[in-house]
Amino acid sequence: AQSVTQPDIHITVSEGASLELRCNYSYGATPYLFWYVQSPGQGLQLLLKYFSGDTLVQGIKGFEAEFKRSQSSFNLRKPSVHWSDAAEYFCAVGAQGYSTLTFGKGTMLLVSP
Amino acid sequence: ETGVTQSPTHLIKTRGQQVTLRCSSQSGHNTVSWYQQALGQGPQFIFQYYREEENGRGNFPPRFSGLQFPNYSSELNVNALELDDSALYLCASSPMDSSNTEAFFGQGTRLTVV
Repeated sequence: AQSVTQPDIHITVSEGASLELRCNYSYGATPYLFWYVQSPGQGLQLLLKYFSGDTLVQGIKGFEAEFKRSQSSFNLRKPSVHWSDAAEYFCAVGAQGYSTLTFGKGTMLLVSP
Repeated sequence: ETGVTQSPTHLIKTRGQQVTLRCSSQSGHNTVSWYQQALGQGPQFIFQYYREEENGRGNFPPRFSGLQFPNYSSELNVNALELDDSALYLCASSPMDSSNTEAFFGQGTRLTVV
């Protein structure tokens, strides 16, 4: 069965500092990987996705993520965090041809002044 | 192009009652999936509908049921509500006929069971 682990429940980053959110997955085939962001009481917005090809993918709002098959990881990064980035971030894994997703438990990002 | 819309946005029900949540898929999308997100947790897959047929189900009891209509909109029905059913219910649509399996989410329905 597929699974996603986000080891950090909360992360606090100073505004302007760099950010890395960790995601490890377990999946028996080539995974489709996603990062979503959720503001309080809202739905999920897709930040970026990896299906194949270049292992470094660029997303919206200045985010990027790197797929490392050897480490079963898909970490999310941003070089300079803005206060508006404070939200909950979810990593998810899916399968080719199927749109059902398995999510991690999420990482809450707090941005300090 | 309209996005995924869900109704209602908030709902309060009493334990033992039944509830119906609604979802309109994004234009051109023929697949709808439903997820339950309990407080402090990631979304969990309930089931998926493709061309009006259930096309996969997560670990949820039969009192969670659904429908998809010819226009690809969908309903989630929950019978005999329990307190633990309190959660944000998210609907997602996607174009199943494409190899791109990206799912687009609605804003969710917040269900509170008292």
